Amino acid sequence: SAVISQKPSRDICQRGTSLTIQCQVDSQVTMMFWYRQQPGQSLTLIATANQGSEATYESGFVIDKFPISRPNLTFSTLTVSNMSPEDSSIYLCSVIFGQEEGYEQYFGPGTRLTVT
Amino acid sequence: GQNIDQPTEMTATEGAIVQINCTYQTSGFNGLFWYQQHAGEAPTFLSYNVLDGLEEKGRFSSFLSRSKGYSYLLLKELQMKDSASYLCAVDFNTNAGKSTFGDGTTLTVKP
Repeated sequence: SAVISQKPSRDICQRGTSLTIQCQVDSQVTMMFWYRQQPGQSLTLIATANQGSEATYESGFVIDKFPISRPNLTFSTLTVSNMSPEDSSIYLCSVIFGQEEGYEQYFGPGTRLTVT
Repeated sequence: GQNIDQPTEMTATEGAIVQINCTYQTSGFNGLFWYQQHAGEAPTFLSYNVLDGLEEKGRFSSFLSRSKGYSYLLLKELQMKDSASYLCAVDFNTNAGKSTFGDGTTLTVKP
């Protein structure tokens, strides 16, 4: 298992500003993932963050809007840039442990972002 | 494209058994996750099925049929604390973690 922490836990931000969310894991992991969960909806994968390489973004998400850093195997940041009210959501980081025959996935507690 | 279907809501009685179904049509399939998510909290991992059949973990069991694109989560001896949203997610890429999530099933357990 893993203990994952995120900072901040919540924030209220003004339109046009940027917020950087931090994710810390208590063990080394190869891949970290950033998800978004908009109000009343399920989770959507934003990007995969690999240490030592650029993040891989899913359709509909771009690096200019959601720059990601992965400086080491236990830490990652996601920045939500030039925010608009549509970015109001819960942002979660996630890690995977195990092998193909038996994965376990763990999520951080989430960062609840409100953009006014 | 990716398509995952789950019932939106279910209600069951404390002490009973409930089965939450999930059907999927995805571009690839490596395995299927089930998560529990209480309101205002992050999802909690319940199970990951790769092979066909039933896997049991205490009060929770998960079943998979790859040929039918079908899975279910079985909850036994329901407790009030089991009231939550249950998310089905398909790991469709060779890099595990690239999952597509269903919209979730909100389960309400009544006394």
